[in-house]
Amino acid sequence: DGGITQSPKYLFRKEGQNVTLSCEQNLNHDAMYWYRQDPGQGLRLIYYSQIVNDFQKGDIAEGYSVSREKKESFPLTVTSAQKNPTAFYLCASTNRYYNEQFFGPGTRLTVL
Amino acid sequence: KQEVTQIPAALSVPEGENLVLNCSFTDSAIYNLQWFRQDPGKGLTSLLLIQSSQREQTSGRLNASLDKSSGRSTLYIAASQPGDSATYLCAVERLSGGATNKLIFGTGTLLAVQP
Repeated sequence: DGGITQSPKYLFRKEGQNVTLSCEQNLNHDAMYWYRQDPGQGLRLIYYSQIVNDFQKGDIAEGYSVSREKKESFPLTVTSAQKNPTAFYLCASTNRYYNEQFFGPGTRLTVL
Repeated sequence: KQEVTQIPAALSVPEGENLVLNCSFTDSAIYNLQWFRQDPGKGLTSLLLIQSSQREQTSGRLNASLDKSSGRSTLYIAASQPGDSATYLCAVERLSGGATNKLIFGTGTLLAVQP
C-alpha cells in the first residue's frame, strides 16, 4: 500500500536534547512538508522540500532542521534551541502535477 | 497576508441531518482549496480538492463549493452519520510563480453527530 509513515508515534524529550522525527513516503512524490499542530491553532509550516538535496524554511523554522538525502525520506530534527517543542508534528507530501497533499499519521512530541 | 477562517468552531447535529461547514479566506489569489478530515490524535485525510478554475467537487455524501471572488468555500455533508464526527479543516494553496504547494490552514470545525 502506498502512503506516508511517521515514527515514532509518541516521543518524549528531556530539556536540552535534540530529537529526530522520521517521515517516509512510497508515493513517489517530489515535495515533502513538515507541519506543527498546537491546540486551537491551525497547522503551521516548519520546512518543505521540493526536490532531493533542497529544502526551504517555512513560517516557523527556528529551532528545527531537516535533510532530504533521498526522495522517500524527510527527517525533522527538533533541536534544543526550540523553546516550546511540545506539539503534534505532521509530515505531508504532494505530487507536483496534481497538488493534492497527503499526510502521515503524526508524531506527538512531549518535553519532560 | 492570507488568512483562513472556519465558522463555526464547533457544531453538534442529530444523525441524518444535512449540514454545511464554512471556510473563508482573505486573498482570492489562490491556486486551489483542499478540505481535510482529522480524527482525534490522527493525521489529516484529504476529502476534496478544488482547483481554482473549478466551482465544486463531489465525493459520495460530500460536496465542496468554491467562490473565489467572495473568498468562500462550503463543505456540504448529506445525511450525516455518527462516523462523520471529526474535525474538518480547510486549506488554501498560495498562488505563486513556482510549484511550492504551500497550504494555509484554518483552525477547523469540530463536528459531532449525535446518534
